[in-house]
Amino acid sequence: QQQVKQSPQSLIVQKGGISIINCAYENTAFDYFPWYQQFPGKGPALLIAIRPDVSEKKEGRFTISFNKSAKQFSLHIMDSQPGDSATYFCAASMRQGAQKLVFGQGTRLTINP
Amino acid sequence: GAGVSQSPSNKVTEKGKDVELRCDPISGHTALYWYRQSLGQGLEFLIYFQGNSAPDKSGLPSDRFSAERTGGSVSTLTIQRTQQEDSAVYLCASSRSGTGGSGNTIYFGEGSWLTVV
Repeated sequence: QQQVKQSPQSLIVQKGGISIINCAYENTAFDYFPWYQQFPGKGPALLIAIRPDVSEKKEGRFTISFNKSAKQFSLHIMDSQPGDSATYFCAASMRQGAQKLVFGQGTRLTINP
Repeated sequence: GAGVSQSPSNKVTEKGKDVELRCDPISGHTALYWYRQSLGQGLEFLIYFQGNSAPDKSGLPSDRFSAERTGGSVSTLTIQRTQQEDSAVYLCASSRSGTGGSGNTIYFGEGSWLTVV
C-alpha cells in the first residue's frame, strides 16, 4: 500500500522532443507528489511538486499532470535538452504525520543531441 | 551550512567491520532523514528524526543499523558488522519541519558511497 510504481526504467528522447515519465500510487492518503532530479554523483534535488487539488502544474519546461481518480501522475519535459539527461524519481508523502517520502524506482533519461 | 553535508563521501570497508556515516543538516532544519539508494534502485527510507528523537525507525533493515542525532543537528548512521549487501549510497536529507506537504521541501546531501568488500 506504500508503493509508488514508476515507468519507464529508461528513456531516450531526441533533443527538442517531449519526455514523459509516469507514476502510479496505491495509498489514497498520499497528498503530496514531488519529482526529484538526480545527476550522477549528486543527491536528488526537488524539481517540481503537486498537490491533488489541482490537475496540472507547470514550471518552465516541466509539467506535472495529476489524475486523482486513476491514482496516477506524470512528468512532462517539453523541448528536452541534453542537460536534462539525469535520473528522475517520482515520490509521494502524506501531509499528516512525518513527511516520509516514498519513491518510485527512477527513470534514467537520456536526451540525444 | 548552505546545504546538507555528508561524510565520508566514499568509504570502502571490510566485511564485518563497523562504519559510521555522518550528516550535517541545513542550519535550522528540525527534521532529518536517512535514505539508502542501491545501484539502479530507488530511494529506500531508513529513519526520520524530529529534533533528537526518532519517531519513525521503520525502514532500518536490521538491528545492525542504528542512528542518533545530537543537539538537534548532526546525525550519525552506524552500521555494525557490515555485510556486502549493505553496499549502497546512504543519503541524508533535512527539512525545515517534519510535517508533510508543499512548502516543506526535503533537501538531500550528495550521499556517502559505502562499499563492503
